[in-house]
Amino acid sequence: RKEVEQDPGPFNVPEGATVAFNCTYSNSASQSFFWYRQDCRKEPKLLMSVYSSGNEDGRFTAQLNRASQYISLLIRDSKLSDSATYLCVVIKNYGGSQGNLIFGKGTKLSVKP
Amino acid sequence: DAGVIQSPRHEVTEMGQEVTLRCKPISGHDYLFWYRQTMMRGLELLIYFNNNVPIDDSGMPEDRFSAKMPNASFSTLKIQPSEPRDSAVYFCASKGRGTAASSGNTIYFGEGSWLTVV
Repeated sequence: RKEVEQDPGPFNVPEGATVAFNCTYSNSASQSFFWYRQDCRKEPKLLMSVYSSGNEDGRFTAQLNRASQYISLLIRDSKLSDSATYLCVVIKNYGGSQGNLIFGKGTKLSVKP
Repeated sequence: DAGVIQSPRHEVTEMGQEVTLRCKPISGHDYLFWYRQTMMRGLELLIYFNNNVPIDDSGMPEDRFSAKMPNASFSTLKIQPSEPRDSAVYFCASKGRGTAASSGNTIYFGEGSWLTVV
């Protein structure tokens, strides 16, 4: 099983739709979780961190389910500008030292007019 | 503030040639990462440094790849000799010293070096 798995999509949705992505991770010791966004031919950029209690940033909501080892990203009222690839990122920290950031392959979202 | 700076942005080279990619991390960041991205394999960590010391190079594909960080503001990734299968986007990234729960875990990427080996 891959360390971080995502549905590659593409998810093709109309403007205004609500869309959700899931990401599963294999290492139960993983401690930090993030969603990154990558536009075509650009570098990945942090979209939001994922906290145990769930967190919301405008139209975006991220949730973590440790028992089932998955994180999710919900986008409400999707905009054309949301079209991008969304990367799930997992970190396992080793004691006091920082661990590797493991990226999923990403889920491609295309929002149509 | 300047972000992570990479050079060259694009390089086309012939098989067998040496390729050197350069990176300047964000000032004050303790961690520097080299990633490679392809359509097939996604974003793969090649190596990362903490305070200029290589911590994990298990992602380096083979001996043809080497990375150095002679000081806090500069790192190189070399491929010698290069092969067509090395064609990819190579990202350098850096982050601060933050803990898991803090914003210091945010990793900032450079714009990437687009390498084509023919």
